[in-house]
Amino acid sequence: GAVVSQHPSWVICKSGTSVKIECRSLDFQATTMFWYRQFPKQSLMLMATSNEGSKATYEQGVEKDKFLINHASLTLSTLTVTSAHPEDSSFYICSALWQNYGYTFGSGTRLTVV
Amino acid sequence: GQNIDQPTEMTATEGAIVQINCTYQTSGFNGLFWYQQHAGEAPTFLSYNVLDGLEEKGRFSSFLSRSKGYSYLLLKELQMKDSASYLCAVRDRDAGNMLTFGGGTRLMVKP
Repeated sequence: GAVVSQHPSWVICKSGTSVKIECRSLDFQATTMFWYRQFPKQSLMLMATSNEGSKATYEQGVEKDKFLINHASLTLSTLTVTSAHPEDSSFYICSALWQNYGYTFGSGTRLTVV
Repeated sequence: GQNIDQPTEMTATEGAIVQINCTYQTSGFNGLFWYQQHAGEAPTFLSYNVLDGLEEKGRFSSFLSRSKGYSYLLLKELQMKDSASYLCAVRDRDAGNMLTFGGGTRLMVKP
């Protein structure tokens, strides 16, 4: 149980375009999802917390107009990187809170902006 | 805010034991997690401590002292496949129970 499916696994896009990353909870309802970004040889940095049906809470320094988060249902949260630039190239991972203390991670999305 | 510290890199020999330490400071401590992460992959759950003491799971054990803000992950009978990053993460009830990760410890296991 508690599987989170994240797509795509990797994506290459041109600078200035937008990319959408999806995370779906397959066998449970995820009222809260966390979005992380990880640069090479660094740890996971929390970008935002999304709660189903409400606006996401962004961490300091994360532009909410650039990283659009939508959590419209209990099984789906999306992160859209708008007007992507090469510095946005990173590994993006979602995580869902499951049964009080269980955190289940998606498989991650490797974004490369060229 | 939170401050989570762990060594950046460690090296150990196959078959040996290694201990990875983690210290933390948080206002609303509500559990400490250890994850293993191989390069390019998502973290995988190793252990969870919320009470003081030692939790053992096969070759992996994790210890917590809440009064000292200290935890360690102990890996026994090291195997080459244990070469990975090990992430210490703390949950804070004062921050919506979100997880904050330490910088990670890159462990290299040598023959």
